[in-house]
Amino acid sequence: RKEVEQDPGPFNVPEGATVAFNCTYSNSASQSFFWYRQDCRKEPKLLMSVYSSGNEDGRFTAQLNRASQYISLLIRDSKLSDSATYLCAVMGNTGGFKTIFGAGTRLFVKA
Amino acid sequence: DAGVIQSPRHEVTEMGQEVTLRCKPISGHNSLFWYRQTMMRGLELLIYFNNNVPIDDSGMPEDRFSAKMPNASFSTLKIQPSEPRDSAVYFCASTPDSSYEQYFGPGTRLTVT
Repeated sequence: RKEVEQDPGPFNVPEGATVAFNCTYSNSASQSFFWYRQDCRKEPKLLMSVYSSGNEDGRFTAQLNRASQYISLLIRDSKLSDSATYLCAVMGNTGGFKTIFGAGTRLFVKA
Repeated sequence: DAGVIQSPRHEVTEMGQEVTLRCKPISGHNSLFWYRQTMMRGLELLIYFNNNVPIDDSGMPEDRFSAKMPNASFSTLKIQPSEPRDSAVYFCASTPDSSYEQYFGPGTRLTVT
């Protein structure tokens, strides 16, 4: 079993739709969680951190469920510019900054 | 502000040749990471350094791969000898101690023929 697993998609949605991605992790002692966005042939960039209480940034909402060991990302009112690959990332509890990334979920938003 | 700098951006080499990838982290960042990304395996952590010291190299595939960080502003990832299965995009990322956010460089696209 991979340490961090995501549905690879692709998700094809029309503009304005709401789309949700889930990501599961295997290490129950993991401490920190993130969503990164990666555009085609570009490097990953941090989209948002994920906090236990959940957090929102504009049209984006991230949630953490420690009991079930998954994190989610909700995108509301999706835009063409949201088309990208979304990577979840999990940082362990072994000290230091070792971060494991999921394989990513591809999103295509269509006009 | 300069971000993470990687060179070369593209490298095409023949099997058996030595390949050296270079990275300059963001000034003041204490941790540096090397990742490899392929369609099949996604983004894999190869090794990371903190304050120039290798902390975890469990992701380094085999003895053909080696990484060094001689000072706070420079790191190399070397593959010797290279093989076609090493073809991938290699990313370097850095992180300040005050944050967990990783700042990625633009990557080096390596093709081994």
